[in-house]
Amino acid sequence: ELKVEQNPLFLSMQEGKNYTIYCNYSTTSDRLYWYRQDPGKSLESLFVLLSNGAVKQEGRLMASLDTKARLSTLHITAAVHDLSATYFCAVDILQAAGNKLTFGGGTRVLVKP
Amino acid sequence: DVKVTQSSRYLVKRTGEKVFLECVQDMDHENMFWYRQDPGLGLRLIYFSYDVKMKEKGDIPEGYSVSREKKERFSLILESASTNQTSMYLCASSLGPEDEQYFGPGTRLTVT
Repeated sequence: ELKVEQNPLFLSMQEGKNYTIYCNYSTTSDRLYWYRQDPGKSLESLFVLLSNGAVKQEGRLMASLDTKARLSTLHITAAVHDLSATYFCAVDILQAAGNKLTFGGGTRVLVKP
Repeated sequence: DVKVTQSSRYLVKRTGEKVFLECVQDMDHENMFWYRQDPGLGLRLIYFSYDVKMKEKGDIPEGYSVSREKKERFSLILESASTNQTSMYLCASSLGPEDEQYFGPGTRLTVT
């Protein structure tokens, strides 16, 4: 059974500082996603990582994937208040009937001035 | 833009009631999914469907059933609601088995 673990579950950030969220998964996967969720809102896709060594960046967020270590990281550079949200990683395993996402528990991020 | 809508944002039901949660997508997607979201547990897959009238169990199907009579609509049914089904329910859809999933806004269900 695939397990996906995120840590930390809660991250209090200071504006301007750098932080990293970790996502470990237990078995080989086909793709890894990072999502953002604002309070009361749905999930917004941030990144899709397809292969070992993949790195994607958008603004202050950078995601990377190490399939050998079964680890993805989401790095936040110079945190700003707008990045306060809950971040989820999800691992995708393709099956005959369709892709099946398994999610981590989420990391709630609060950026303080 | 893909649009996934859910029939209610908030719902309060009593124990033992039959509950229907509706999800509609407007982009002709083949696959549709129902998840529940609980604090610290992330999203867990309840059921998914890859075609009309087809369904597959996810990781936590117990206590739930689904219906997909039309391609754009996927319903989650709680035959007899229980308090442990109080949760946020999210619907998602994807064009095909290898495509990204798009999520609806969620329905927060409270069972009293």
